[in-house]
Amino acid sequence: QQQVKQSPQSLIVQKGGISIINCAYENTAFDYFPWYQQFPGKGPALLIAIRPDVSEKKEGRFTISFNKSAKQFSLHIMDSQPGDSATYFCAAIHNQAGTALIFGKGTTLSVSS
Amino acid sequence: DAGVTQSPTHLIKTRGQQVTLRCSPISGHKSVSWYQQVLGQGPQFIFQYYEKEERGRGNFPDRFSARQFPNYSSELNVNALLLGDSALYLCASSLGTNRPEQFFGPGTRLTVL
Repeated sequence: QQQVKQSPQSLIVQKGGISIINCAYENTAFDYFPWYQQFPGKGPALLIAIRPDVSEKKEGRFTISFNKSAKQFSLHIMDSQPGDSATYFCAAIHNQAGTALIFGKGTTLSVSS
Repeated sequence: DAGVTQSPTHLIKTRGQQVTLRCSPISGHKSVSWYQQVLGQGPQFIFQYYEKEERGRGNFPDRFSARQFPNYSSELNVNALLLGDSALYLCASSLGTNRPEQFFGPGTRLTVL
């Protein structure tokens, strides 16, 4: 019930391409879904987040697509750049009852120049 | 404004020892959460504190304890260290328990020998 499954584990994209990372959740009580970006030796940085009452949210080159019926959400990185090379984590939380972010296992993105 | 700060940056301990990690949240944030991140995995929730009270506890043994001070800073204590406690310990701050956005510090890298 608490699991968040993330795929793929690793991803290689050419510069200028689109990076797509997918996540699926089980607990229908989750009501906030953030994505974090983490560089080696650093803490995770909040990238973008969505609530289940919208199907898409875009901030610059980053877009979250959300499918409530399928219990899936994904991160799209448009025009991927070498500086985007990092590990990306999806997460979920039941804001009203829970205090803990439940994280996926992460996707290591490498953008080749 | 300064982000979440953590100290120390790195720490090396031997099995059986005790360790104290420190965290200062973003100014104005009253809630602090602690997470453990093992290499290659997503962060796992340990504790959340709000207004000096424990609001949530993850699936960690009683060797782990924490507290929050009147200035909202926090300490995480781990007793009787095991090799498996080697990890990056992350602190995240948020405005309060009804505000799901959590902002992470750089972490403390703990190595247990």
